[in-house]
Amino acid sequence: DTGVSQDPRHKITKRGQNVTFRCDPISEHNRLYWYRQTLGQGPEFLTYFQNEAQLEKSRLLSDRFSAERPKGSFSTLEIQRTEQGDSAMYLCASSASGGDQPQHFGDGTRLSIL
Amino acid sequence: AQSVTQLGSHVSVSEGALVLLRCNYSSSVPPYLFWYVQYPNQGLQLLLKYTSAATLVKGINGFEAEFKKSETSFHLTKPSAHMSDAAEYFCAVSDLIYGNKLVFGAGTILRVKS
Repeated sequence: DTGVSQDPRHKITKRGQNVTFRCDPISEHNRLYWYRQTLGQGPEFLTYFQNEAQLEKSRLLSDRFSAERPKGSFSTLEIQRTEQGDSAMYLCASSASGGDQPQHFGDGTRLSIL
Repeated sequence: AQSVTQLGSHVSVSEGALVLLRCNYSSSVPPYLFWYVQYPNQGLQLLLKYTSAATLVKGINGFEAEFKKSETSFHLTKPSAHMSDAAEYFCAVSDLIYGNKLVFGAGTILRVKS
């Protein structure tokens, strides 16, 4: 169990640019979640996958955001035409199926928009 | 819909003193509840979980929490604070309807004074 891995850890970009983040979950976990955390707040749910199927998206996930999990393993989160308000920590988590299964988090990708 | 309220955005205790971090939840179904800890620039680490077994749950690093249905509470305690406990703590409830996504409180920053 190597834990959840996220890359990059930090991303600085100019407003209007596109960015892509990667998440590698714990290998035996079939569920993968993305959350966004702004300063002084708890994480907020963005979307989740059961294997390769994206089963729910939050209203926070505007049409500039897209997430994929093509083979049910790693996932990518892309933000197009970044805006100042996108500056946040993006956290990935994975778990086994079942509501009692805890989610294991990666260290996150911190996005800063200049 | 599920929600979580953490009373006190900042808590300060002396080293060796009791730690009490408060969490109240709202849920239309029997909840699964979690406490996570976050150190600066890191992801969230699971401290403990309640999944309808024993109401007193023991976690890592000497922390424990008690589920009280009548009070809709799940407060986190530790008998004796250590300097290394200084961090931000999040209470979360699992949304069993929507893929077990976690709904987090706003967090409590714990400061430990020497």
